[in-house]
Amino acid sequence: AQSVTQPDIHITVSEGASLELRCNYSYGATPYLFWYVQSPGQGLQLLLKYFSGDTLVQGIKGFEAEFKRSQSSFNLRKPSVHWSDAAEYFCAVGIYNQGGKLIFGQGTELSVKP
Amino acid sequence: KAGVTQTPRYLIKTRGQQVTLSCSPISGHRSVSWYQQTPGQGLQFLFEYFSETQRNKGNFPGRFSGRQFSNSRSEMNVSTLELGDSALYLCASSSAPTGSGDLNEQFFGPGTRLTVL
Repeated sequence: AQSVTQPDIHITVSEGASLELRCNYSYGATPYLFWYVQSPGQGLQLLLKYFSGDTLVQGIKGFEAEFKRSQSSFNLRKPSVHWSDAAEYFCAVGIYNQGGKLIFGQGTELSVKP
Repeated sequence: KAGVTQTPRYLIKTRGQQVTLSCSPISGHRSVSWYQQTPGQGLQFLFEYFSETQRNKGNFPGRFSGRQFSNSRSEMNVSTLELGDSALYLCASSSAPTGSGDLNEQFFGPGTRLTVL
């Protein structure tokens, strides 16, 4: 069955430090992968997506993610975290047979300390 | 361009009641998807509609239903509410069906927070 795992429920980093959020997926076919961010009281905003081509994907707000098929991973990275990056981050895989849907991981809550 | 609008933003109901939530997609978007978000189960897919047709349905009981109108606005209905239905219900719209060749981005609304007492 298709699934997405985000091993880290909560991460705290210092402002200016680098960040890596982990995501592992289980899907038999070529995966369509996404990272979303959710701030309190807000909906989800797409940070970046991958479905083919270059395995290093650039997104908004200085985020990037690398697709590694051999490890079934799609980790999100940012070289220098800002206080405004504090939010919840969701990794998702797109399933597109008989209509479409996203399967989300449980999310990683990011706290940023000054 | 206005974003996805969901009404109401907050709702309190009691067990056994029914509720209707509304979603207005971005102008020109014809695809609407619904998701339920709870602390225990996370984000789970409910339905997807395109041009008034349900294309896909998640693993939810029949108490959960939805529809889409000719202007692409969508409603979802939950009948005989249970405590476990308390959740944030998110709507997302896109210009084409999900899974289109260029993987159109889905734009999410702020959600409706439903509390069942």
